[in-house]
Amino acid sequence: NAGVTQTPKFQVLKTGQSMTLQCAQDMNHNSMYWYRQDPGMGLRLIYYSASEGTTDKGEVPNGYNVSRLNKREFSLRLESAAPSQTSVYFCASRGGFFSNQPQHFGDGTRLSIL
Amino acid sequence: KQEVTQIPAALSVPEGENLVLNCSFTDSAIYNLQWFRQDPGKGLTSLLLIQSSQREQTSGRLNASLDKSSGRSTLYIAASQPGDSATYLCAVKEAGNTPLVFGKGTRLSVIA
Repeated sequence: NAGVTQTPKFQVLKTGQSMTLQCAQDMNHNSMYWYRQDPGMGLRLIYYSASEGTTDKGEVPNGYNVSRLNKREFSLRLESAAPSQTSVYFCASRGGFFSNQPQHFGDGTRLSIL
Repeated sequence: KQEVTQIPAALSVPEGENLVLNCSFTDSAIYNLQWFRQDPGKGLTSLLLIQSSQREQTSGRLNASLDKSSGRSTLYIAASQPGDSATYLCAVKEAGNTPLVFGKGTRLSVIA
């Protein structure tokens, strides 16, 4: 029962470096999401993919890009990392946008930008 | 714009006490409401999902209620245990093509 798997779990980057956070789900879910969680700010949606082949901006998309590679995988890319992007990143999936199935989360990627 | 509020932000109770966590939302046109638990350093775990047509859902010692008209949900935890210590978040799914809207959570500490 893997659910939602995120890699890596931890990463330290220097300002200006790029990296891709990977997310995969094995529940045959249509919708996938990327959030960041910062102290005092709660969960904020970065990007989401309502279904394979579509992506949309969330609340805080600046500085990020996403790719819905296939139904299982949804990646988040930081092209030029900035210290303000230091955060914990969570990937989530859900059966469908109009589904009454619960949303499932990965364990997160803890990212530090120096 | 939908807003979800959880009060209090933090709560400390002695073991064995029954407790209620509150969640309020500004727009009653929701599709469902979900309660999550988050342990330190971990992701969110879904506890209960209440559909808009339902009044409550139960799982073990947890009971979640929904009053759409007043924009409120409560999570009742019976006979609290130290293992219940975590942050509890609620989130609403609105009707239409929109993602979940989350509250900032209530951090619960159950003291042995």
